[in-house]
Parts: sequence; structure tokens; C-alpha cells
Amino acid sequence: DTEVTQTPKHLVMGMTNKKSLKCEQHMGHRAMYWYKQKAKKPPELMFVYSYEKLSINESVPSRFSPECPNSSLLNLHLHALQPEDSALYLCASSQESGQGYGYTFGSGTRLTVV
Amino acid sequence: AQKVTQAQTEISVVEKEDVTLDCVYETRDTTYYLFWYKQPPSGELVFLIRRNSFDEQNEISGRYSWNFQKSTSSFNFTITASQVVDSAVYFCALSGYNQGGKLIFGQGTELSVKP
Repeated sequence: DTEVTQTPKHLVMGMTNKKSLKCEQHMGHRAMYWYKQKAKKPPELMFVYSYEKLSINESVPSRFSPECPNSSLLNLHLHALQPEDSALYLCASSQESGQGYGYTFGSGTRLTVV
Repeated sequence: AQKVTQAQTEISVVEKEDVTLDCVYETRDTTYYLFWYKQPPSGELVFLIRRNSFDEQNEISGRYSWNFQKSTSSFNFTITASQVVDSAVYFCALSGYNQGGKLIFGQGTELSVKP
């Protein structure tokens, strides 16, 4: 299995809703990442988990809450989002963080906040 | 600070033309890694190549080739005999050895190949 699977593929949520994005990989990778990508822009790093511990938080607002329950799963909990948070959310994994290991990206969740 | 610049925002070519996508990077790390990704309209980022800073050999994979020159801090990507299926946004990206896995992307080049 050489894939990163993200669910759901599309999500529409209101500003008062609570929802979660899910990411799963079974490649034995020990680093997992969340990226946010606005239309016509490059992906921007949000969080890095290394060995199930949060190692990088790129000053992301607290309405985004990451969680890594085990080495194969990565969640992103969403609460009280704003319309400007609408974007493509990409999950990625790599064998380790740093050291230039290749990154495998999922196909993303297209989030619309209404 | 690390930075990746893709000066070409959009490129349009006719099928079978060759096209080169430019990438210039900045880093103070002596060990770093460069990547190219393809993003079709469906959204997933497809890995194309990884190159470390100590390996300046050019690489060819089918119709794709990459030219890495440390002297000019460039990592350019050429598609030979382009095809309509090559239409996508292409990102060049940089990761430093001790940057915790952070991948810095360029702004991307949108390539349109017309039949």
C-alpha cells in the first residue's frame, strides 16, 4: 500500500459546526503533515507530526486542532471556522521528518465554509 | 531563510513542443533536497523527482528531464514532446536537512498543452 487516503473528499460546513478531516497511511511512515492550499496558490505547511508527537505548528489558529492517535492516522479537527478557511487540505507522509525523505500526498479534502 | 522561485506563472504550448519550467532556490543549508510535483486539476500532488544537494547529475525519465546546477541555484524541468496529459500545475519545492520536514513550495507554473 503506497497511498495516503484522505476522507472526506469534499466537506461543506457552517461556521458553527464541528467537523474532522481524516488521513491514513500504511507505509510505516513516521512523519505526517497537514498542508493548506488556497486556489491558485502553493500548499502551505500547517502541522508536522513526528513519531506521533507534534513537532511543528506553523502558528495555525486554534480553530484547527490536529491529532495523531497512532502512527497510521492523522486527524484535523475543525471548529468555528471562517469562510476564508475554505481551501484544499492536503495530508502527506514521509518515512521520517527532515533528511529529505520523499513525501507522499493524499488527494486532499476540499473544504467549503459557509 | 529558504525560498523557491518559479518565475513562470503560466506557460502555453502546442502538443509535441518541448517546454522548460524554471526553478530557482535560496537556502543557507549545505544539505538540502529539491523536489518537483505535478498537480492535475483533480488536486493530488504527484511526486516526480527528488534530488539531494550533493548529487548534481542530471536525470532523464522518459520525456521528463531535470537540470540541477548548484552554481546558479537552479533546478529546471524539461518536458520533451509535450502531450495534452501534461497539462497541470507544476511545483518545485525545497526541504532543508534540519528543517523538521518542512517543504517550501514555489508559486507553481501552470502548464497548458493544447492539441
